[in-house]
Amino acid sequence: SQQGEEDPQALSIQEGENATMNCSYKTSINNLQWYRQNSGRGLVHLILIRSNEREKHSGRLRVTLDTSKKSSSLLITASRAADTASYFCATGAMEYGNKLVFGAGTILRVKS
Amino acid sequence: DGGITQSPKYLFRKEGQNVTLSCEQNLNHDAMYWYRQDPGQGLRLIYYSQIVNDFQKGDIAEGYSVSREKKESFPLTVTSAQKNPTAFYLCASSISSGRSEYEQYFGPGTRLTVT
Repeated sequence: SQQGEEDPQALSIQEGENATMNCSYKTSINNLQWYRQNSGRGLVHLILIRSNEREKHSGRLRVTLDTSKKSSSLLITASRAADTASYFCATGAMEYGNKLVFGAGTILRVKS
Repeated sequence: DGGITQSPKYLFRKEGQNVTLSCEQNLNHDAMYWYRQDPGQGLRLIYYSQIVNDFQKGDIAEGYSVSREKKESFPLTVTSAQKNPTAFYLCASSISSGRSEYEQYFGPGTRLTVT
């Protein structure tokens, strides 16, 4: 079964608003990564957070990790129409032989 | 211009035919991966390779085969044994899969339609 489960499945917001996506997972991990996919394209890596980290920032992106709740969130601030895409979390864990296991993704639509 | 290339972007085949999807990288990465993506779903790992001449099955390897004769190349063959081959196929690479703490770089994908 998939390790990561994103919530919500789809999100529609107005340009300028913040977008928050959540990811929950089942087993202990050593890192969690977020990727973005524009329609019909490959995935692009956004940010990696290790199990001993609680928060990371990259530009308008903020990722948090709560290992006690086995969850992570991705916050995109001041969203733009160009942020419209699918966002996936992927977990790396010893249990999976250090491969990444991807969730089903959140579809974000930013309306201008 | 470094990156991963996949060709073709769209591929159409008749049922019962084998088809090979190309994946090439010039990033000097050791590890390469093949994923399958179905509508509304995440990525599922088909095969991965950590080093030349070695590869391992992923979660959904049945009906697929791969080879890794060169570091730069990791072609995927979708055989007639794959029951539902129509999907979007993504190739990726990373510095090493010995540890997952490296980002994966993805190609643009190949959309395979089998009728």
